[in-house]
Amino acid sequence: GQNIDQPTEMTATEGAIVQINCTYQTSGFNGLFWYQQHAGEAPTFLSYNVLDGLEEKGRFSSFLSRSKGYSYLLLKELQMKDSASYLCAVQGTGRRALTFGSGTRLQVQP
Amino acid sequence: GAVVSQHPSRVICKSGTSVKIECRSLDFQATTMFWYRQFPKQSLMLMATSNEGSKATYEQGVEKDKFLINHASLTLSTLTVTSAHPEDSSFYICSARGGTRLLDEQFFGPGTRLTVL
Repeated sequence: GQNIDQPTEMTATEGAIVQINCTYQTSGFNGLFWYQQHAGEAPTFLSYNVLDGLEEKGRFSSFLSRSKGYSYLLLKELQMKDSASYLCAVQGTGRRALTFGSGTRLQVQP
Repeated sequence: GAVVSQHPSRVICKSGTSVKIECRSLDFQATTMFWYRQFPKQSLMLMATSNEGSKATYEQGVEKDKFLINHASLTLSTLTVTSAHPEDSSFYICSARGGTRLLDEQFFGPGTRLTVL
């Protein structure tokens, strides 16, 4: 089975930096994804990690430590439009679907 | 990235009726499609995995006779909610992946909001 944990809610200030953590326990691992989801919309892909280390993509970075079962999503220079839910998802072994965490609702305040 | 569409985007139906939701990959061939359900303020829960030309694989607790999935072509999968009840009201999202690489990205459709009265 797979278990994925994320904080339920976070609040941050416009222009600041926020880190959203995700821990996972899986029977197999073939990669970890981060998605952004605005209310009432489908998730949009942000990042993918399969090897340990940091992947940077503009204002967004994602880190993975496979030995610790840990990842984080780092958002820099926060903007109001970054207010959304951020979903951590793990892909298990074989051609399997993603297992999603419960999501972290981020609220960016002025 | 690749585009996945869903139709309809929103549907309201009476209890006891059946509703069909279509998921199409517009510019790639989707060997596998996934159907998720999302209740308010909750995360996506996988319902079933659909491979073209074969029967869908349902997750534990999902009634295969109630949620009929057909993946007749490499660009189309349908989910039919049979005899819908108010508790089936939810946001249904499909995703599609193509190719044969194990780590192919999934592309999500825009979702279908189902309301059963």
